[in-house]
Amino acid sequence: NAGVTQTPKFRVLKTGQSMTLLCAQDMNHEYMYWYRQDPGMGLRLIHYSVGEGTTAKGEVPDGYNVSRLKKQNFLLGLESAAPSQTSVYFCASSYPPSASTGELFFGEGSRLTVL
Amino acid sequence: TQLLEQSPQFLSIQEGENLTVYCNSSSVFSSLQWYRQEPGEGPVLLVTVVTGGEVKKLKRLTFQFGDARKDSSLHITAAQPGDTGLYLCAAYEDNYGGATNKLIFGTGTLLAVQP
Repeated sequence: NAGVTQTPKFRVLKTGQSMTLLCAQDMNHEYMYWYRQDPGMGLRLIHYSVGEGTTAKGEVPDGYNVSRLKKQNFLLGLESAAPSQTSVYFCASSYPPSASTGELFFGEGSRLTVL
Repeated sequence: TQLLEQSPQFLSIQEGENLTVYCNSSSVFSSLQWYRQEPGEGPVLLVTVVTGGEVKKLKRLTFQFGDARKDSSLHITAAQPGDTGLYLCAAYEDNYGGATNKLIFGTGTLLAVQP
């Protein structure tokens, strides 16, 4: 059972470089989310999607872009990485909250370091 | 953005002790979730509480949703080393009386249970 898979697991970037994190889920979930986790700050929502072709901003969207071209994939892009974007990134998916308990299923995280 | 504040931020106790973790907000939520996260993994849902005053028990863990649905607590009885982890409360952001699709997380409580 794959669940939610994130690639890559680790990445080191130099300031100004770009990269894309890929999230794939095999549970046919409608909703997908990208969070970042920093010490002492819990999880902060970057962007989310309520269905294929749709995206919306979360709490901390600046410096990130996302795309949901296929239902099972949610991509997070950094166009010009900054040291402040050093973090652990988590992808999650769920059924619509109205149709379930709204439980999120998370990937194992992607650790990004920007030098 | 509606905030979920957790306390304490860190807790280190001996095996067999009891503890309580708090999750507070100035906002009203239609439901609240608790997740546990172990090192190197994504958070996993423990419980969802949906009714003001509701109490749910999961083995040695007791969850309570405040009467006004603004706060929640997690009580662990006779803590064990296996309870070690980061405990996160979460709730769907409310928008004019209705829950949105944005799941926001608290700041987290890092629990260490020493054998």
